[in-house]
Amino acid sequence: EVQLVQSGAEVKKPGESLKISCKDPGYTFSEYWIVWVRQRPGKGLEWMGIIYPGDSDTRYSPAFQGQVTISADTSTSTAYLQWNNLKASDSGMYYCARLVARAADVWGRGTLVTVSS
Amino acid sequence: QSALTQPASVSGSLGQSITISCTGTSSDVGNYNLVSWYQQHPDKVPKLLIYEDHKRPSGVSNRFSGSKSGNTASLTISGLQAEDEADYYCCSYAGSLHSLYVFGSGTKVTVL
Repeated sequence: EVQLVQSGAEVKKPGESLKISCKDPGYTFSEYWIVWVRQRPGKGLEWMGIIYPGDSDTRYSPAFQGQVTISADTSTSTAYLQWNNLKASDSGMYYCARLVARAADVWGRGTLVTVSS
Repeated sequence: QSALTQPASVSGSLGQSITISCTGTSSDVGNYNLVSWYQQHPDKVPKLLIYEDHKRPSGVSNRFSGSKSGNTASLTISGLQAEDEADYYCCSYAGSLHSLYVFGSGTKVTVL
C-alpha cells in the first residue's frame, strides 16, 4: 500500500524552529495536493493547509495562517511543514496526506511534535 | 469557520446498524458534494472510508455507506463489528472564500 513517509518524532523547546517532512515514494508527487493535519493529544483532526507541489500553490486554514509555513521540493518529492517560533500549544501529531477528489486517501504515519521547556 | 457538528458518541450492538450525523452549513456540507469520512483507531492513522458524499474507495467494506440531505451528511455502519469501534470524522470542502476544508468534531463509536 502506498504511504507517505514522514520524518521522525521531535522534541523542542518553546521559541525554537522546526521543519518536518513528508516524502512521496511514488511518482505522482507533483500531481496531487498534499494536506497537513494536526491532532492534539486526545483531540480531533484539524486541517492546517494544503500545497500543490506542481506549482507550489499553497492555501492555509485561517487558524494556521501566519503560524506555520508549508512548502514542497519536487526534486525530492517532499513536502514540509515549518515553524519559526514553537509554542507548547503546537505539541501534537502532524499528519500529511494526499488529496484526491478533495479527500485524503493516502496518509503518512504522522510526526509527533513535543514542545516543552 | 467552526467544526462540523457530530455527536460525541454513538453505540450499537454487534450486527446492528448505526448512523453518525455530520451537520454543517450551506457554505460547506450543503454547498458541495465533497464530504469525506475517516475512521481512526486509537493511536492509528486515519483511514478514508467515504469521499464525494457517498463513494467508497477500493477496499473499503460495503458495510460503510454515506449519504447527505441538505446541510447534514451521514455515515451508516451496517452489521456492526467489533473492529468498527473507533473514532469517526467527517470533513467537508468549504470553498476558497471560507476555510477550504473543515473537519467534524469526531464521534466515538462503541460496540456493545
